[in-house]
Amino acid sequence: DAGVIQSPRHEVTEMGQEVTLRCKPISGHDYLFWYRQTMMRGLELLIYFNNNVPIDDSGMPEDRFSAKMPNASFSTLKIQPSEPRDSAVYFCASRPGQGLGNEQFFGPGTRLTVL
Amino acid sequence: LAKTTQPISMDSYEGQEVNITCSHNNIATNDYITWYQQFPSQGPRFIIQGYKTKVTNEVASLFIPADRKSSTLSLPRVSLSDTAVYYCLVGTFSGGYNKLIFGAGTRLAVHP
Repeated sequence: DAGVIQSPRHEVTEMGQEVTLRCKPISGHDYLFWYRQTMMRGLELLIYFNNNVPIDDSGMPEDRFSAKMPNASFSTLKIQPSEPRDSAVYFCASRPGQGLGNEQFFGPGTRLTVL
Repeated sequence: LAKTTQPISMDSYEGQEVNITCSHNNIATNDYITWYQQFPSQGPRFIIQGYKTKVTNEVASLFIPADRKSSTLSLPRVSLSDTAVYYCLVGTFSGGYNKLIFGAGTRLAVHP
């Protein structure tokens, strides 16, 4: 299994531009999570999906952020318009629907820099 | 969600055993105790999880006392490659709910 796949790995953009981050979860996993990591705030959960349906988006910072999961193998996190304070590493994670524990499988992350 | 407290940083030397203790005084009955490891420029990686007593795998051991208000991650004979941030979390996957709260973690530095 290739694990969770994220693209791009690095993104540099200018303030005001639209940014789209992509994630392919592990096949068969029912849950998909988007996290953001910064030095100041650490690792924060933004939103998660179950069977392509958003379950908890309370971590989405503001309306400039949106996430979609059109099918079981693909999700996007969009920032429009982007701002310098959005600079961070964005991680996608997935997990199967069974089991009581807290094991999630993280992707390599997308490092976003907004100038 | 129960909050966890762990040391901000620790230093060790190659070949030593490292024990990182985490406090979770408000852990709920159904919560599991989970540890993740994160190397620079990588996503967190699950390393071990337990509910009570002791759990051991090929990477680490996890010791949980009877009251479950704390836990200790034990890394035997560390090497330079164990330099990473270690996160302690508590929670459970119940009814489709699995919101994990990552604290600041413990930054472990292993020296030659």
